[in-house]
Amino acid sequence: DTEVTQTPKHLVMGMTNKKSLKCEQHMGHRAMYWYKQKAKKPPELMFVYSYEKLSINESVPSRFSPECPNSSLLNLHLHALQPEDSALYLCASSQGGTDRATEAFFGQGTRLTVV
Amino acid sequence: KQEVTQIPAALSVPEGENLVLNCSFTDSAIYNLQWFRQDPGKGLTSLLLIQSSQREQTSGRLNASLDKSSGRSTLYIAASQPGDSATYLCAVRPTYSSASKIIFGSGTRLSIRP
Repeated sequence: DTEVTQTPKHLVMGMTNKKSLKCEQHMGHRAMYWYKQKAKKPPELMFVYSYEKLSINESVPSRFSPECPNSSLLNLHLHALQPEDSALYLCASSQGGTDRATEAFFGQGTRLTVV
Repeated sequence: KQEVTQIPAALSVPEGENLVLNCSFTDSAIYNLQWFRQDPGKGLTSLLLIQSSQREQTSGRLNASLDKSSGRSTLYIAASQPGDSATYLCAVRPTYSSASKIIFGSGTRLSIRP
């Protein structure tokens, strides 16, 4: 099973709403990632978790709050977003740890629209 | 700082042609290079992974090569089909990142004409 599952597939939220994106993998991977992708642009790294600890935050605004409750789950909590935050949000996982030369697997993404 | 470039940005060819997509990176200190396919509005599908010690990898009609010293990789697609139409992204994993950062190129949008 090489699947990374993201829910929901689509999300429309108002600027005052609070919502969460969910990502799940059962490959035993210990590195998990959040990427943001705008139309016709490559994915941009937001956060990296390694062994359930936040290891990279690419200067992401605090209205995005990641959480890794266990080794299989990764959440992205959203609050007070702006219309320019509308994008495809991608989750990925890889083996992580000292074995960094491994394949990364991506989910199908959550299409977020902020109105 | 590692930068990844893909040329051309877009490519349109008739069905049946063999084609080559290019990827270049500025720093040869990488763990691996991975090629992905992305359909419009969808996630990324991993096509091929080449470790830094390898020269090429093959999967079906796809062949990827890696020349780490010159900072180049190519993705060769044989006998192209309309179903190959998608955006192709290359990504490298630099060794300077303690947390296995993945850095993407800007992609090549491929269109195969029936």
